Amino acid sequence: DGGITQSPKYLFRKEGQNVTLSCEQNLNHDAMYWYRQDPGQGLRLIYYSQIVNDFQKGDIAEGYSVSREKKESFPLTVTSAQKNPTAFYLCATGLAGALGPDTQYFGPGTRLTVL
Amino acid sequence: QQQVKQSPQSLIVQKGGISIINCAYENTAFDYFPWYQQFPGKGPALLIAIRPDVSEKKEGRFTISFNKSAKQFSLHIMDSQPGDSATYFCAASIGATNKLIFGTGTLLAVQP
Repeated sequence: DGGITQSPKYLFRKEGQNVTLSCEQNLNHDAMYWYRQDPGQGLRLIYYSQIVNDFQKGDIAEGYSVSREKKESFPLTVTSAQKNPTAFYLCATGLAGALGPDTQYFGPGTRLTVL
Repeated sequence: QQQVKQSPQSLIVQKGGISIINCAYENTAFDYFPWYQQFPGKGPALLIAIRPDVSEKKEGRFTISFNKSAKQFSLHIMDSQPGDSATYFCAASIGATNKLIFGTGTLLAVQP
């Protein structure tokens, strides 16, 4: 929470539709991350970006796409190719670079339900 | 090798008791071990974190114990309170990418 905004809080989608989840931050962090949370499975990394105009796939990138055109924004698109998109989606930010690992700060999440 | 195994899956503790959650890892390259607390419908919040050069870190009622040789670390919540009832996740990361690998979570219920 704090300087990370995710919208909307709840999102409903029909099967076959693409949908975009918003993540905005004012913490001036270089790195941004998208996680998916399912009951009993913890958080799994979808995509991450350490710098503007660059991003990498995480462990479960299939059916998702991202962009990083601005430092403050890292939208996630859930495409129709994602077979089981109903989940709680969490955006996080953190410092990146030579100093090594550091704290990740999480947004409040978006709950996506496919009807 | 990238997994972090967390136990127990759920835990019930009486008010004032000690809650203990354990995590184990295989990859010795992990160099940062945070614990997150998550309330229902909210994003996780960092609780406490440790690096492998120390064996214990304490912040208020929360303590991380780290055993490098056993590749295990645990969270101890002293004097557990009903407000501590939440899901707790351990995690581990390597290097500058800060890619966190999460455990599967422990649902803690503190009974009044």
